[in-house]
Amino acid sequence: GAVVSQHPSRVICKSGTSVKIECRSLDFQATTMFWYRQFPKQSLMLMATSNEGSKATYEQGVEKDKFLINHASLTLSTLTVTSAHPEDSSFYICSVAPRDRGLEQYFGPGTRLTVT
Amino acid sequence: AQSVAQPEDQVNVAEGNPLTVKCTYSVSGNPYLFWYVQYPNRGLQFLLKYITGDNLVKGSYGFEAEFNKSQTSFHLKKPSALVSDSALYFCAVRVHDSGAGSYQLTFGKGTKLSVIP
Repeated sequence: GAVVSQHPSRVICKSGTSVKIECRSLDFQATTMFWYRQFPKQSLMLMATSNEGSKATYEQGVEKDKFLINHASLTLSTLTVTSAHPEDSSFYICSVAPRDRGLEQYFGPGTRLTVT
Repeated sequence: AQSVAQPEDQVNVAEGNPLTVKCTYSVSGNPYLFWYVQYPNRGLQFLLKYITGDNLVKGSYGFEAEFNKSQTSFHLKKPSALVSDSALYFCAVRVHDSGAGSYQLTFGKGTKLSVIP
């Protein structure tokens, strides 16, 4: 199956700073990627759908200006958490929906963000 | 709107015994159903999916799931549990829809499986 990487795997930042998380599809070209966040002992909540070459589609309640998504190529999407606050601390997971494999989603290993 | 219910927060089973993790769904069209497993501080790993065809689907690591349309269920099963199966299991659904947002998965809240040696 597709291999999806995320970088960094863990990051600790100070309140008010910005953090960029990368999601790379190593085996497939992905026109669509998804960003989720997961709080402890809870399910994955879809934050946004990242579309290559166009603006991301955000879920209701997700601040577009706070969670900046860039899908500049068919293998890379980035999520930037701007002006991070402690309540942004979470596990962020991306997934890839490869072109011509519309039924499958392949998940990255996740990024643990801690804002102090 | 589509939804997924996993009625059990936790399932405990003795090693070697059969296990079942329950999942029911609600969609307005034909469902695509998935099971994923998550180990601590890791992303989700795909186990199996139901698209069409046989109601009994076989997946990775000896897991299988049975699609029951009348009961709108897609329970995950394994004949003999291993300690290494202990993890968090998520059921997910996607609607067969070619429109915008058709790739979106809706996840259940997850069920923690503990296999006791």
